[in-house]
Amino acid sequence: NAGVTQTPKFQVLKTGQSMTLQCAQDMNHNSMYWYRQDPGMGLRLIYYSASEGTTDKGEVPNGYNVSRLNKREFSLRLESAAPSQTSVYFCASRGTQSYNEQFFGPGTRLTVL
Amino acid sequence: EDQVTQSPEALRLQEGESSSLNCSYTVSGLRGLFWYRQDPGKGPEFLFTLYSAGEEKEKERLKATLTKKESFLHITAPKPEDSATYLCAVQAHDYKLSFGAGTTVTVRA
Repeated sequence: NAGVTQTPKFQVLKTGQSMTLQCAQDMNHNSMYWYRQDPGMGLRLIYYSASEGTTDKGEVPNGYNVSRLNKREFSLRLESAAPSQTSVYFCASRGTQSYNEQFFGPGTRLTVL
Repeated sequence: EDQVTQSPEALRLQEGESSSLNCSYTVSGLRGLFWYRQDPGKGPEFLFTLYSAGEEKEKERLKATLTKKESFLHITAPKPEDSATYLCAVQAHDYKLSFGAGTTVTVRA
């Protein structure tokens, strides 16, 4: 039982390049989330998926797109990376009970030059 | 808009020196308050969920309490391995979490 896994762990992009961050969970959770973490600002929600087939915007969605590929996988795409997207990205999942805690992956550290 | 403020930003403790971290919040319809621990270079790790004012939960040297406006994370007789950033988050009616910026705790031997 690996929990929540993310790939890659590190990535360096040039401004304007695109890439997809991958996330998978093996806990049979319905809900999945993408956050970014910047120094002094805490975790901010980018997009989330309450269940397979649905996605919704979070607090900071501009410049990102997501795909809930199936119940296990939720990807985050940067179509044209900008230096302001330099951050650490975390994926999380949550069980079916209303008050279940979110379980986080190890993160992807992204630098955009 | 939900707001979560954690204080202090950083806390340096001597081993065995007990202290408390504060998480104050404003939220419409609190469904739960969560505490997480985050080690450098890793994802947040769940510690506690508190649901109603007056509730307390304990795990080893950590004890979390909740009032209607704030939560405290008490660290009793900390050890160097308790060094981490502690994050507080609130969950409102839409089941999304709003996080504070965290308190970084350093415990010196």
